[in-house]
Amino acid sequence: TQLLEQSPQFLSIQEGENLTVYCNSSSVFSSLQWYRQEPGEGPVLLVTVVTGGEVKKLKRLTFQFGDARKDSSLHITAAQPGDTGLYLCAGRAIQGAQKLVFGQGTRLTINP
Amino acid sequence: ETGVTQTPRHLVMGMTNKKSLKCEQHLGHNAMYWYKQSAKKPLELMFVYNFKEQTENNSVPSRFSPECPNSSHLFLHLHTLQPEDSALYLCASSQVTATPSLYGYTFGSGTRLTVV
Repeated sequence: TQLLEQSPQFLSIQEGENLTVYCNSSSVFSSLQWYRQEPGEGPVLLVTVVTGGEVKKLKRLTFQFGDARKDSSLHITAAQPGDTGLYLCAGRAIQGAQKLVFGQGTRLTINP
Repeated sequence: ETGVTQTPRHLVMGMTNKKSLKCEQHLGHNAMYWYKQSAKKPLELMFVYNFKEQTENNSVPSRFSPECPNSSHLFLHLHTLQPEDSALYLCASSQVTATPSLYGYTFGSGTRLTVV
């Protein structure tokens, strides 16, 4: 069974601060995705990373895929209250590539 | 309507009731999924349908019965549920292609189910 461990599970910071969320596994993934889920809604895809060492930027969000494709990080610069939500990483295995395995999520709160 | 629509948004049912959750996708995708989201647990995959054929049942109890009449509609029929089945049930769709690593899931807003 492939598992994705996210840390921290909860994070509460002030507006304007920077933060990093981690997603780690002992397994290799063919790709990894990050989703954000707001209360009362389903998760929304933010980014897909495919290549080991890949870095993608989405405005103030920077996503990195580890060289060995076993881990990923999400860095937010100058966090804003609108960034509040549950951040989920999800990996796609080398075999059975259709299925996504999700981490347990990081609940982020940005205080004004 | 666009995206993935789930109804109802909220459902309270007794343990002896029978109810159904409905999911409809307007994206032309060829795969649909049911996930269960409980507090403090990762999203749990329940069922996978490709081109309306069930391709995965993730050891889900028989009190949950999926139905996929076509590629756009997915149902989850519920009967004799237990209180521990209370959770957010999410439907998702995706387009399965030759490069599976690249596509993501589009989720509905979910049905918040409470079993009393």
